[in-house]
Amino acid sequence: DAGVIQSPRHEVTEMGQEVTLRCKPISGHNSLFWYRQTMMRGLELLIYFNNNVPIDDSGMPEDRFSAKMPNASFSTLKIQPSEPRDSAVYFCASSSGGSPFSNQPQHFGDGTRLSIL
Amino acid sequence: AQKITQTQPGMFVQEKEAVTLDCTYDTSDPSYGLFWYKQPSSGEMIFLIYQGSYDQQNATEGRYSLNFQKARKSANLVISASQLGDSAMYFCAMREGGGNQFYFGTGTSLTVIP
Repeated sequence: DAGVIQSPRHEVTEMGQEVTLRCKPISGHNSLFWYRQTMMRGLELLIYFNNNVPIDDSGMPEDRFSAKMPNASFSTLKIQPSEPRDSAVYFCASSSGGSPFSNQPQHFGDGTRLSIL
Repeated sequence: AQKITQTQPGMFVQEKEAVTLDCTYDTSDPSYGLFWYKQPSSGEMIFLIYQGSYDQQNATEGRYSLNFQKARKSANLVISASQLGDSAMYFCAMREGGGNQFYFGTGTSLTVIP
């Protein structure tokens, strides 16, 4: 089975440009998560969706960040305008279940390494 | 309060020895799951092992086992017979009740010394 697919793997762009990160979750998973990882702040949850609906976006840093999930098989994270402090690895993850007895882990994509110059 | 606490930023272990990575958690929900992930230098996040709050026995997966002490709210990862390839960051995470959100700790960097 295909895992979580993220694109691009690497992105280098200049400050002020729009950046769009893409994610295809595992088929059948009903929850999707966007994380940001930096050395200074570790792994931060930005937003997560359940059944394509945003549930918690309290981790989104500011209005420059937005995320959408138009259908069950696709999500985007957009940064506009981008700034050097947005440089990080961005992970998308998906999971199934929701039952307290679910042992289903989150499955992570390989991440997008974003550098804003 | 932090949901997941990993107090060891870095750990060293001799090859072939066992090592324990600490994780404590905070929840008032009687139903929860605990997960450990490995992140090697290549960057991917790899799921290792799961422990449910109602599980009677400690979880084991190959060389990985979980020392689950419910009263102390700790879920320490034990890696037996360490290998050089075990050098990585290790994250503890928790999922509460019927929710979908995972709470991650800050991670422990493990270095296996030949």
